[in-house]
Amino acid sequence: GAGVSQSPSNKVTEKGKDVELRCDPISGHTALYWYRQSLGQGLEFLIYFQGNSAPDKSGLPSDRFSAERTGGSVSTLTIQRTQQEDSAVYLCASSLGYGLNTEAFFGQGTRLTVV
Amino acid sequence: EDQVTQSPEALRLQEGESSSLNCSYTVSGLRGLFWYRQDPGKGPEFLFTLYSAGEEKEKERLKATLTKKESFLHITAPKPEDSATYLCAVQAGDDKIIFGKGTRLHILP
Repeated sequence: GAGVSQSPSNKVTEKGKDVELRCDPISGHTALYWYRQSLGQGLEFLIYFQGNSAPDKSGLPSDRFSAERTGGSVSTLTIQRTQQEDSAVYLCASSLGYGLNTEAFFGQGTRLTVV
Repeated sequence: EDQVTQSPEALRLQEGESSSLNCSYTVSGLRGLFWYRQDPGKGPEFLFTLYSAGEEKEKERLKATLTKKESFLHITAPKPEDSATYLCAVQAGDDKIIFGKGTRLHILP
């Protein structure tokens, strides 16, 4: 595709419910990143996928958070039993991931509000 | 631990008043340093990649430079449309990309 696509763009959920956020990376990009951005804050690293390698999950804040990437393309970030502190913008980015072409390109994000 | 620190947190300039934003970093095995621009309600927009000390890149009124410990984003004769949050990020040997908290730039007409 022309760019990184994220859906939904906005999600309001009740505390305790599970949510799934989707990311479609740029075609041909092997690396995929998830970040969380709270209001007025910087980007907090969550998880990184590169090709068929095991993902780097070191940024996931708790075991309620998980992500998968199917077929080396689409990724889903799942938050179980959502809490109010999970409210934030969740950003996905992809990159070619090798050589000198490692800059990441971002989607527009999913704004998650837990009420 | 890899760290990125940006300063100042916020900067207000008059239109045409040049200045610089700072990004200092501590990283093991720098693979690249990136600058992004982020407008409210949008995802970060890629601006530059710098790979080695001494490298410089330019785009319109922006110029990015890199040393072994820090990077600067120089803004020459800024216009109101340059108002945004500017984010610096580094990629280390483990390929993770770590971001600073950003500098909020406001250019007054």
